[in-house]
Amino acid sequence: TQLLEQSPQFLSIQEGENLTVYCNSSSVFSSLQWYRQEPGEGPVLLVTVVTGGEVKKLKRLTFQFGDARKDSSLHITAAQPGDTGLYLCAGEYGAGGTSYGKLTFGQGTILTVHP
Amino acid sequence: EAGVAQSPRYKIIEKRQSVAFWCNPISGHATLYWYQQILGQGPKLLIQFQNNGVVDDSQLPKDRFSAERLKGVDSTLKIQPAKLEDSAVYLCASSLGHAVGTLHFGNGTRLTVT
Repeated sequence: TQLLEQSPQFLSIQEGENLTVYCNSSSVFSSLQWYRQEPGEGPVLLVTVVTGGEVKKLKRLTFQFGDARKDSSLHITAAQPGDTGLYLCAGEYGAGGTSYGKLTFGQGTILTVHP
Repeated sequence: EAGVAQSPRYKIIEKRQSVAFWCNPISGHATLYWYQQILGQGPKLLIQFQNNGVVDDSQLPKDRFSAERLKGVDSTLKIQPAKLEDSAVYLCASSLGHAVGTLHFGNGTRLTVT
């Protein structure tokens, strides 16, 4: 079973601060996804990174996939209270030929942004 | 497009009772997943279907959990008998096909076992 470790587990910051969430593994993934989950709802996909070293930006969110495709980071600039939620990274492995892709999730980072 | 539908939203049962959850994926999505999410943790895959066939059920506690996806559309997940440690949110997700692609999640069923 491929394991993904996220850090930190909890993050409590003031509005306007910057933050980075890390997602690390000893396994190589074919792609890495980041999700955001709000209470009472299912996770919603934010981004998928596929290429080692890839950087994607989504407004104030910057996602990076490690060169070796084993780790990823999510950086939020000038956090806002609306960014509050559970952030999950998920790595895809096993897809190829007739094999179906599988997704394994990290344990999540609970972010609270105070006004 | 309509999202992934799950019911019920909440369920409270006593240990040793049985319970069933229902999921209707997005129309045309061949792959369906059931995840268990314990409070404060990331989702853990229980079972993955491709149409009506099982792709992966390696983490499904088969002595008490069962799932089916008849006709390759709707799916049900059953627990019998339930244990206290089964208290969690059960999430259903679907995706178009072979590779994971974009997983679309339902809002889940919150199960409390007392």
